[in-house]
Amino acid sequence: KQEVTQIPAALSVPEGENLVLNCSFTDSAIYNLQWFRQDPGKGLTSLLLIQSSQREQTSGRLNASLDKSSGRSTLYIAASQPGDSATYLCAVSDRDDKIIFGKGTRLHILP
Amino acid sequence: NAGVTQTPKFRVLKTGQSMTLLCAQDMNHEYMYWYRQDPGMGLRLIHYSVGEGTTAKGEVPDGYNVSRLKKQNFLLGLESAAPSQTSVYFCASSYYPWGGIGTGELFFGEGSRLTVL
Repeated sequence: KQEVTQIPAALSVPEGENLVLNCSFTDSAIYNLQWFRQDPGKGLTSLLLIQSSQREQTSGRLNASLDKSSGRSTLYIAASQPGDSATYLCAVSDRDDKIIFGKGTRLHILP
Repeated sequence: NAGVTQTPKFRVLKTGQSMTLLCAQDMNHEYMYWYRQDPGMGLRLIHYSVGEGTTAKGEVPDGYNVSRLKKQNFLLGLESAAPSQTSVYFCASSYYPWGGIGTGELFFGEGSRLTVL
């Protein structure tokens, strides 16, 4: 059974720093991995989707990498801003094409 | 472009009452999903649909029923609500499945907060 882990559960960093969020999964036979952002009381907003044949995706200050063999993905945020404060979740597909979510990393950018 | 819309956004029920949550998407997506999100548990799949007229069970289907009579709508029903069903419910949709062609990017609604007393 696919399991997705995100460590740390919470992270606080000063504004302007670069940071990395981690996502690990137990079954490397995935199709896609997607990173989401969730603001308090809101739904999930898609940030980046990496297909299994890809190694990374970039959007603005965000860069997501995927290493299927080691079961890991990282989300790199450059030059962090207070507006980046949110919970970040990653999700992968399992062998039955269902989507399994991690519990998220709660990020707080200190002004 | 509304995307994925959920109604109602908030609801309080008494144990044993029934209700239906409506999810509507205007992106012509084939695949639709209902999740629940609970503190410390993350997002868990309740039911999903791979097209109009189809439904399938997810990870935590007990106590819920679903219907997909129209492609753009996916309904989640609680026949006899229990306090354990207090949660935030999210609907999501995608054009392609994650196991098939295309990107299958997921789009989410804003959520429906349900409290069962």
